[in-house]
Amino acid sequence: GNSVTQMEGPVTLSEEAFLTINCTYTATGYPSLFWYVQYPGEGLQLLLKATKADDKGSNKGFEATYRKETTSFHLEKGSVQVSDSAVYFCALSDYNTDKLIFGTGTRLQVFP
Amino acid sequence: DGGITQSPKYLFRKEGQNVTLSCEQNLNHDAMYWYRQDPGQGLRLIYYSQIVNDFQKGDIAEGYSVSREKKESFPLTVTSAQKNPTAFYLCASSRRQVNQPQHFGDGTRLSIL
Repeated sequence: GNSVTQMEGPVTLSEEAFLTINCTYTATGYPSLFWYVQYPGEGLQLLLKATKADDKGSNKGFEATYRKETTSFHLEKGSVQVSDSAVYFCALSDYNTDKLIFGTGTRLQVFP
Repeated sequence: DGGITQSPKYLFRKEGQNVTLSCEQNLNHDAMYWYRQDPGQGLRLIYYSQIVNDFQKGDIAEGYSVSREKKESFPLTVTSAQKNPTAFYLCASSRRQVNQPQHFGDGTRLSIL
């Protein structure tokens, strides 16, 4: 079945460091891929999305490219800030239903 | 602004008691979802509804019930049959098409007294 695998956290970085959070997926058909962010005590917010192979989603300095050949959708940011500290979830849409399949989340901690 | 409203933000349940979590959306979305999130874990789907008066069980439906009498509302009842209800509950909605993103509320944290 469809699944999403994310790197284990926490990821701990100093401010202005480069960020990569790995996400790989298994899916049939042509799913869309998403990154969501969850700040403490809040719900999930859509960060970016990509709907087909080679698409690049971007928002607030974050980027991710839909790589069909490596079944990956890694999240990157060139210079993180303390305010980026949160839990990041990778997700894919199940092509046959309206449901999303989520990864287990990766906690990012950024220190000044 | 359009969005999803969950209430209450915090809820306490006594042993043997049913409690109902509210979820209202004004995004005109057909599909709505309930998830459970435990500390340090991902989201698990409890129930979802693609249209009014219809809903389906998700991965962990036992001990929960839902209704969908109006497009805007999708309340979740945590029954006394749910033996470990302490968790963070998230409601979401989306357009009823494949590959659509889901929009989330701010969640309800349920604890046992």
